[in-house]
Amino acid sequence: EAQVTQNPRYLITVTGKKLTVTCSQNMNHEYMSWYRQDPGLGLRQIYYSMNVEVTDKGDVPEGYKVSRKEKRNFPLILESPSPNQTSLYFCASSLVSGGAGEQFFGPGTRLTVL
Amino acid sequence: GENVEQHPSTLSVQEGDSAVIKCTYSDSASNYFPWYKQELGKRPQLIIDIRSNVGEKKDQRIAVTLNKTAKHFSLHITETQPEDSAVYFCAASTYLARDNDMRFGAGTRLTVKP
Repeated sequence: EAQVTQNPRYLITVTGKKLTVTCSQNMNHEYMSWYRQDPGLGLRQIYYSMNVEVTDKGDVPEGYKVSRKEKRNFPLILESPSPNQTSLYFCASSLVSGGAGEQFFGPGTRLTVL
Repeated sequence: GENVEQHPSTLSVQEGDSAVIKCTYSDSASNYFPWYKQELGKRPQLIIDIRSNVGEKKDQRIAVTLNKTAKHFSLHITETQPEDSAVYFCAASTYLARDNDMRFGAGTRLTVKP
């Protein structure tokens, strides 16, 4: 089954404790992206990747890191999480180069930073 | 960078009526405009998209119109049904650009009353 998976789905952590949210797609998509969703602000792009070893900042990259060592995986790293990073996070992938095609979203990761 | 504004933030209609959601964008280079539907507790899913070489696109009860001169695009849902109740997001990006971030509007919560 073609899908985007994220882990964990729910996470409660404390300020300053490094964490990684994994994202994996099995559709051989080139484009992958991370978004955060907050009430009243919609989906805001954190980072995106056009292909392996190519990553770019989105709208709200501060406090986050990403890597794209393999085509299928695009982990999101929070080196020192803070309470303002409490949010719902979505990973997405797209077949079309540049992201201008249907983006398939993962199930979401709800993160709470205390 | 691109800025996408979406109106209204909430919309309530009677079953069978039409619903219209409007978005404006700021970057004249944007040429790809998708619409996503997010049901409660679910991930966003693409419902329709349009590229800048087309002025209108229809898919059954859903249509999108694009006015490049005015830099706005709209989603039209006819004969609304209770299952159309969801949050709808518009977005804009630049197809095949070197740097391609995807900007979403803040979302419209549509409620269709039976």
